Amino acid sequence: QQQVKQSPQSLIVQKGGISIINCAYENTAFDYFPWYQQFPGKGPALLIAIRPDVSEKKEGRFTISFNKSAKQFSLHIMDSQPGDSATYFCAASRDDKIIFGKGTRLHILP
Amino acid sequence: NAGVTQTPKFRILKIGQSMTLQCAQDMNHNYMYWYRQDPGMGLKLIYYSVGAGITDKGEVPNGYNVSRSTTEDFPLRLELAAPSQTSVYFCASNLTPTEPYNSPLHFGNGTRLTVT
Repeated sequence: QQQVKQSPQSLIVQKGGISIINCAYENTAFDYFPWYQQFPGKGPALLIAIRPDVSEKKEGRFTISFNKSAKQFSLHIMDSQPGDSATYFCAASRDDKIIFGKGTRLHILP
Repeated sequence: NAGVTQTPKFRILKIGQSMTLQCAQDMNHNYMYWYRQDPGMGLKLIYYSVGAGITDKGEVPNGYNVSRSTTEDFPLRLELAAPSQTSVYFCASNLTPTEPYNSPLHFGNGTRLTVT
């Protein structure tokens, strides 16, 4: 199976709160799990990525948590800011095949 | 470096018209991709290319054609536009997907196409 299921479809969080977006995959052959951030009128841009041999990766306020046995991974945005308002895509890939989730529209209330 | 450049930014087509969406990258990337993005549907791969002269179908290739005569350019052709092709189209590139940590996908800013 090639699907990557992403939830929620949309998310509203107060400024300073924690934003959490979840993804689940089916194909255990995937070996790279990136998150892309997309602002209105722009193309997606790589935000953070993780290999399946680690359980967590942190870059500033952004953290990926990875659960290999459950085939799930999530993006946590700490101290969410209005500038984080964007659409977020999770993805899973191996070699030249990359499958994207359907995206989460995040809105941070000021 | 300009990265991935797409033109035009916006276009309105009538049913049955044809057009070419342009994509150029200046990063000497081998791999190039065309995606379409529809609301709530994520990114669907239309076509991709692993190098000049080589192209292959993605998930949703029907109604589209591509060519890759140079490393830099990867145009997408719509021959007979249909309302179902109303979408935002993104071109992307990377050096080699077998080393994603050293070669993430770089996207252009998209072409918003409306077919009426």
